[in-house]
Amino acid sequence: SAVISQKPSRDICQRGTSLTIQCQVDSQVTMMFWYRQQPGQSLTLIATANQGSEATYESGFVIDKFPISRPNLTFSTLTVSNMSPEDSSIYLCSVGGLFRAGGLETQYFGPGTRLLVL
Amino acid sequence: DQQVKQNSPSLSVQEGRISILNCDYTNSMFDYFLWYKKYPAEGPTFLISISSIKDKNEDGRFTVFLNKSAKHLSLHIVPSQPGDSAVYFCAASARRSNFGNEKLTFGTGTRLTIIP
Repeated sequence: SAVISQKPSRDICQRGTSLTIQCQVDSQVTMMFWYRQQPGQSLTLIATANQGSEATYESGFVIDKFPISRPNLTFSTLTVSNMSPEDSSIYLCSVGGLFRAGGLETQYFGPGTRLLVL
Repeated sequence: DQQVKQNSPSLSVQEGRISILNCDYTNSMFDYFLWYKKYPAEGPTFLISISSIKDKNEDGRFTVFLNKSAKHLSLHIVPSQPGDSAVYFCAASARRSNFGNEKLTFGTGTRLTIIP
């Protein structure tokens, strides 16, 4: 498996500001993803972070609100822009493209960034 | 539209007994299924997966069963231990139709409590 770290682990932010979350993995991976888990809900995919090109966003998520960078195969950032209280959530990055025994790929998650917007 | 459903939000099981967590899906393009365990304030931890070419996969105390005709999978934990108390998420992906892209669709989770 991969060791994935996220910074910051938590933050409290004011409405209207922006926060950039970093995700670092200890090995090169082909796929990196950003998810959100709102209070009491499941994990929802925000976007796929593509190395060297623009991220691919899921329905309901746009680049202006959640700009993503992926400059190399081990690092990505997600920015939550112009925040409102509705953005209070846990933001998680995950990595894929790792092969387990038997050839099945799976996806591993970072510890998450807990964001509270006041 | 919830494509992956876990209809039991919570489940309590006596220590040593079997825990059975259920998951249903609606998208027939899903061909790879995973179970994750999540503790509070941590990211999900991968437990076990199964490809649609199989109907069972076992790893230690964890077994996943897949019934494609019913679009149903289940996770069996036996024997259940207090450390198994967590929220369990079922997830699915449609890798063949997405050219290997692993993006996952998650269920809503089941909170499992193991009673000592």
